[in-house]
Amino acid sequence: AQSVAQPEDQVNVAEGNPLTVKCTYSVSGNPYLFWYVQYPNRGLQFLLKYITGDNLVKGSYGFEAEFNKSQTSFHLKKPSALVSDSALYFCAVRDWYSGAGSYQLTFGKGTKLSVIP
Amino acid sequence: NAGVTQTPKFRVLKTGQSMTLLCAQDMNHEYMYWYRQDPGMGLRLIHYSVGEGTTAKGEVPDGYNVSRLKKQNFLLGLESAAPSQTSVYFCASSYDHRTGETDTQYFGPGTRLTVL
Repeated sequence: AQSVAQPEDQVNVAEGNPLTVKCTYSVSGNPYLFWYVQYPNRGLQFLLKYITGDNLVKGSYGFEAEFNKSQTSFHLKKPSALVSDSALYFCAVRDWYSGAGSYQLTFGKGTKLSVIP
Repeated sequence: NAGVTQTPKFRVLKTGQSMTLLCAQDMNHEYMYWYRQDPGMGLRLIHYSVGEGTTAKGEVPDGYNVSRLKKQNFLLGLESAAPSQTSVYFCASSYDHRTGETDTQYFGPGTRLTVL
């Protein structure tokens, strides 16, 4: 079984400061990890993913995430937050073998990021 | 490319009524998914399809049926709506066998359903 946890329901950060949104996961095999962002009244948009290779993954809009196998974490980061980054962020995981060829993702409950001007 | 589109955007039903939500994608994706999003619950998978003519149950399939008669379309049906089905429904698609991109899911804009 695969699962993902986002321990913070909300993260507040001042504009210009670095931000981190936390994610931990559990899979039986090797994880495929994703971050999605949802703006109000919109669908989810893909930000970045880790499949294999370099533990630091760079994605859209200046976001990056660091895969840490020993801590089973995949935290989302950005060096300097913008007010426009305010949104709901979802972490998702898939075991390298999720069965039935369906590539099913398991999503976290989401973290609301508020960037304060 | 329109990507993934969903119709309708909003709907209000009375308990016991039925309706069908339509999802269409123009990315030639093999796999399609229906999720529901509820506050504090994240996204939960209702049903999915790995190809035309095939469907399978996800995490919360009860009260829903699906069909995928054409590769580009995935329909979600509620036969007898209940207030517990009040939610925002998202469709997603993935897996373009021509490019080999298997994992990234692309989402539609959502349908907000209220059951009174």
